[in-house]
Amino acid sequence: DVKVTQSSRYLVKRTGEKVFLECVQDMDHENMFWYRQDPGLGLRLIYFSYDVKMKEKGDIPEGYSVSREKKERFSLILESASTNQTSMYLCASKVLAGIYNEQFFGPGTRLTVL
Amino acid sequence: AQTVTQSQPEMSVQEAETVTLSCTYDTSENNYYLFWYKQPPSRQMILVIRQEAYKQQNATENRFSVNFQKAAKSFSLKISDSQLGDTAMYFCAFMKLSSGNTPLVFGKGTRLSVIA
Repeated sequence: DVKVTQSSRYLVKRTGEKVFLECVQDMDHENMFWYRQDPGLGLRLIYFSYDVKMKEKGDIPEGYSVSREKKERFSLILESASTNQTSMYLCASKVLAGIYNEQFFGPGTRLTVL
Repeated sequence: AQTVTQSQPEMSVQEAETVTLSCTYDTSENNYYLFWYKQPPSRQMILVIRQEAYKQQNATENRFSVNFQKAAKSFSLKISDSQLGDTAMYFCAFMKLSSGNTPLVFGKGTRLSVIA
């Protein structure tokens, strides 16, 4: 089974802190994604990556950056956390070109910025 | 840009009954995939069912089936014999079929409660 893991289920940070959210997948998927999930807004794409060291902005990249130094790991960075970044963050991965094109999700990290 | 609309923020259904969740989408693409994902309370998002746009036959997975109307750009999910474990957020998602790099576009979700 595909496994996507995220470094923390719950995280509490202070305004202005630098925050790292880590995501690791074990199926050699080329594509990896970061979404944030907010009530009434669904899932919104922050960034995605289709290869090592490659990144593409999603719909809401402001205030975030990403890093993909290894194929299995995709990090989301909040350079200076703000209270409006309190949210659930979901990581996902997908093979580049497959029959089913299914995205596999991690369990999510619920981040609270105080 | 593609958009996905789920017009029912919340729904409820009695155990063993049938419920239909609505989804419409807007695209100028001809080749694409549609998905329904399920997110149980405090649990991981998982794929329920997928539909390739080029297939006329509606996809089915056990108690889950879709009604795919390509011309109307409609993609509803029917859950038969609802079970308590079906209680979850359900997201409809769209992916255009291009180079394989395209991310999913999600609707805002429908919260389904199955009542005993």
